[in-house]
Amino acid sequence: NAGVTQTPKFQVLKTGQSMTLQCAQDMNHNSMYWYRQDPGMGLRLIYYSASEGTTDKGEVPNGYNVSRLNKREFSLRLESAAPSQTSVYFCASSEGAGNTIYFGEGSWLTVV
Amino acid sequence: KNQVEQSPQSLIILEGKNCTLQCNYTVSPFSNLRWYKQDTGRGPVSLTIMTFSENTKSNGRYTATLDADTKQSSLHITASQLSDSASYICVVASGGSYIPTFGRGTSLIVHP
Repeated sequence: NAGVTQTPKFQVLKTGQSMTLQCAQDMNHNSMYWYRQDPGMGLRLIYYSASEGTTDKGEVPNGYNVSRLNKREFSLRLESAAPSQTSVYFCASSEGAGNTIYFGEGSWLTVV
Repeated sequence: KNQVEQSPQSLIILEGKNCTLQCNYTVSPFSNLRWYKQDTGRGPVSLTIMTFSENTKSNGRYTATLDADTKQSSLHITASQLSDSASYICVVASGGSYIPTFGRGTSLIVHP
């Protein structure tokens, strides 16, 4: 089992460019999440999908969009990247509310 | 608003020594509390889970405690090893919610 796989691992973008972070899980989990992690701020929720077919905003959704493509895949899109979106992004999944959250290995994004 | 506060923010100890990390929370209704370990450059991994009725739970050299009355938890690391150097994150789940509350973590450095 690969667990939670996210791509790319590293990406440099110019301000205004767009990109999509891809995420897939092979644990048959219902819920999926996108977090960003910045120094001193901890993990902050961007968007989540409680189950296939649903998505909801988290704490810091501005500047992002998501798509729950199917039960396995949950993508995060930056339509017009800004330097403030320079961060480490983690995709995660869980069976449902209150269950253990399993994280991917992270995607390092730099916007210049 | 649900909150999780961790202390200390950072900690440096010598290899072989013990240490205790603290987590205070104001999350209601309480469902469970997890401690995650995040190695540098990796995604967080769950170490322990505590439910309302549990006071103590061990995972090798890691022992977590929970006092649901005072809403406090601790993570005790015995006979520390260099591989314990990481960030330790306290995460509290609220009943029925898909969004747990994350602490900002304690950064532990173990020196030889």
